[in-house]
Amino acid sequence: DAMVIQNPRYQVTQFGKPVTLSCSQTLNHNVMYWYQQKSSQAPKLLFHYYDKDFNNEADTPDNFQSRRPNTSFCFLDIRSPGLGDAAMYLCATSRDPAGTGGSYEQYFGPGTRLTVT
Amino acid sequence: DQQVKQNSPSLSVQEGRISILNCDYTNSMFDYFLWYKKYPAEGPTFLISISSIKDKNEDGRFTVFLNKSAKHLSLHIVPSQPGDSAVYFCAASANQFYFGTGTSLTVIP
Repeated sequence: DAMVIQNPRYQVTQFGKPVTLSCSQTLNHNVMYWYQQKSSQAPKLLFHYYDKDFNNEADTPDNFQSRRPNTSFCFLDIRSPGLGDAAMYLCATSRDPAGTGGSYEQYFGPGTRLTVT
Repeated sequence: DQQVKQNSPSLSVQEGRISILNCDYTNSMFDYFLWYKKYPAEGPTFLISISSIKDKNEDGRFTVFLNKSAKHLSLHIVPSQPGDSAVYFCAASANQFYFGTGTSLTVIP
C-alpha cells in the first residue's frame, strides 16, 4: 500500500542534543510537509518542499531545519532541542497543487512523538 | 491568530444518532475545506472535502456543509457508529492548510 512512513515513532532526546526525524513516502508526491502539533493544539506548519524548493514558514524557529535528498525522503533536524520543542511531529505529502485546481488533500504519516529531557 | 476554530473540544453521541461537528473560519480567501479523522497513535486521514463554490458535499454517511456568509463549516455523520469515535480536524486551504484544534467524538454503543 502506498503510504507515508515516519521513523522513529517515539524519540527521546536530551536538552540541547541534536535530533533528526525522518519521513518517507511511496506515493510519489511532489510536495512534502512538516507539522508540529502540541497537545490540544492545531497542527502548525513548519515548512514544506515543493519538489526540491524549500519553503519556510515565517515563524518557524531557526532551530528547525529540513532536508529533502530525493522525492521519497524528507528529514527534520532540530539543532538544539528545548523543552518547548516536545511535541508530535507530523509529516505529510500531497500532489502538485497546480494540477488539482486547488482541490487536493494531504496524506499524513503516523507522527513522531518527541520528548525532551 | 487561529484562522480555523473548532470551539467544541469534545462531543458524545448515541450510536445511530446524528453527529454534528462544527468549524468556523476567519479568512475569506479560503477556497477549499477538508475534514480529517484521527485515531490514537495514527496520523490524520482525509475524510471529505468541499470547494468554496459548493455548499454541500456528501459521501455515504458523511456530509459537509459550507456556509460562506457565516464562515462556517459543519460535518454531519448519520448514522453514527462506534467506529466513528476519533478526533476530527477541519482544515482550510489558501495556498497552505490551516487546521483547527480538533473535536473528539465519542459514539456510545
